[in-house]
Amino acid sequence: DVQMTQSPSSLSASVGDRVTITCRASQTISNYLNWYQHKSGKAPKLLMYAAATLQSGVPSRFSGSGSGTDFTLTISSLQPEDFATYYCQQSYRTPRTFGQGTKVEIK
Amino acid sequence: EMQLVQSGAEVKKPGESLRISCKGSGYIFINYWISWVRQMPGKGLEWMGRIDPTDSYTNYSPSFQGHVTVSADKSISTAYLQWSSLKASDTAMYFCARRDSSKGDALDIWGQGTMVTVSS
Repeated sequence: DVQMTQSPSSLSASVGDRVTITCRASQTISNYLNWYQHKSGKAPKLLMYAAATLQSGVPSRFSGSGSGTDFTLTISSLQPEDFATYYCQQSYRTPRTFGQGTKVEIK
Repeated sequence: EMQLVQSGAEVKKPGESLRISCKGSGYIFINYWISWVRQMPGKGLEWMGRIDPTDSYTNYSPSFQGHVTVSADKSISTAYLQWSSLKASDTAMYFCARRDSSKGDALDIWGQGTMVTVSS
């Protein structure tokens, strides 16, 4: 299986901060990397696919980059509604695998 | 509106069987695979397996193979996740999600989740 490792596991930030989350794959996955936002009690939401493509309706303060094994999700200016847990997921090989999640909390 | 609507919360005893459902609407159901994802209490997301509703071809994660069965009835645009003998460790929230091949196989539409509680 492709192991996905996110860092950090959690972070505290203030509204307006720039936040970066990294995701590393245990083997190359080209650009088959997706990012999801998950708020407790709700369905996860697709933010980015193919590493750097913004899903329709997602604010432009979210951006993604990377290829191969190393990827990042950046929130340029954190908003109150962005406090959530973020997951990366590879869709290159089966079984699909998720990172362990990064919880973004209010500072 | 494209959506997946899941069946309601379940409370079962160890050893019982269970089938939960996921109904698609607002899109052509057979054009998109459905995946199932588990979230145990306080834990992260885990991909369990998926099904092609066209022919019911399935893939499973080795972690779940043999313990759950994914199926689909394309005539009613519904996918299922079932257990023949539940364990307490199956207590979790279960999500279905649509895989979009035009988006690098990302999961672009998710059901609202079904909470399964297994307790004696």
